[in-house]
Amino acid sequence: GENVEQHPSTLSVQEGDSAVIKCTYSDSASNYFPWYKQELGKGPQLIIDIRSNVGEKKDQRIAVTLNKTAKHFSLHITETQPEDSAVYFCAATPLQFYFGTGTSLTVIP
Amino acid sequence: EAGVAQSPRYKIIEKRQSVAFWCNPISGHATLYWYQQILGQGPKLLIQFQNNGVVDDSQLPKDRFSAERLKGVDSTLKIQPAKLEDSAVYLCASSLAGRTSTDTQYFGPGTRLTVL
Repeated sequence: GENVEQHPSTLSVQEGDSAVIKCTYSDSASNYFPWYKQELGKGPQLIIDIRSNVGEKKDQRIAVTLNKTAKHFSLHITETQPEDSAVYFCAATPLQFYFGTGTSLTVIP
Repeated sequence: EAGVAQSPRYKIIEKRQSVAFWCNPISGHATLYWYQQILGQGPKLLIQFQNNGVVDDSQLPKDRFSAERLKGVDSTLKIQPAKLEDSAVYLCASSLAGRTSTDTQYFGPGTRLTVL
C-alpha cells in the first residue's frame, strides 16, 4: 500500500514567519493530496488540497506545491498567526486516504 | 449545513468489555468512513461504506470489530471484546459520492476510547 512520510514532527515559528511542512509518498498512482488541520479535541478539518494535474495551489496565506516526479508535496503557511497552532496532516490517495504522522505546529506570539 | 455528528465523545471501559460508537454523516453524503487514530499518529482507515454496502474493510480487525450502516445513513462501530491497544480516537467521516478517491472527506469530532 501507500506509504506517506511527513516532516518535521514538530515545528515552532515566531508569529509572522512562514512555516513549511513536507510529505513524501511512494505510490505513483496517488492522484489527490489533501492537507488537514486538527485542533485539540476536534476532528481533522480540510484546509487545502491539490490534484495530480496541478503543480501549485494557493488560498490566501496557505499554499501547497506538488512534485509528482519526486513524489513529494509541501504545505506553506505565510504570515503565521497564533490560531494556526495545531497538528497538520498530509494525505495521499491511490484508492483510500493514507495519512502522514502529523506535524505539531506552534506559533509563538 | 450540519457537520458529521458522533457520540459518545468519550468512553472509558475495561479490557474485554464491549463498546459501540455512533455516527451521523452530513445529509446526502453517500459514503461513510470509520478511522482509528492512535495518539501521535495519523488516522487509519478501518472501513468504508458506499450507501449501505461495504467498499473496503481490509484493515478492520474482524475478529473483534464490526460495523454496519443500515438504511445507508447512520452507522455504528462496535468493538467486542476490547483490548488495551484499542485505546484511540475513532473518527467518522463522510463524502458526497465517494466513487473516486478524490472526494473531499469531512470529519466528525471523534470518540476518544480509553481501555483500562
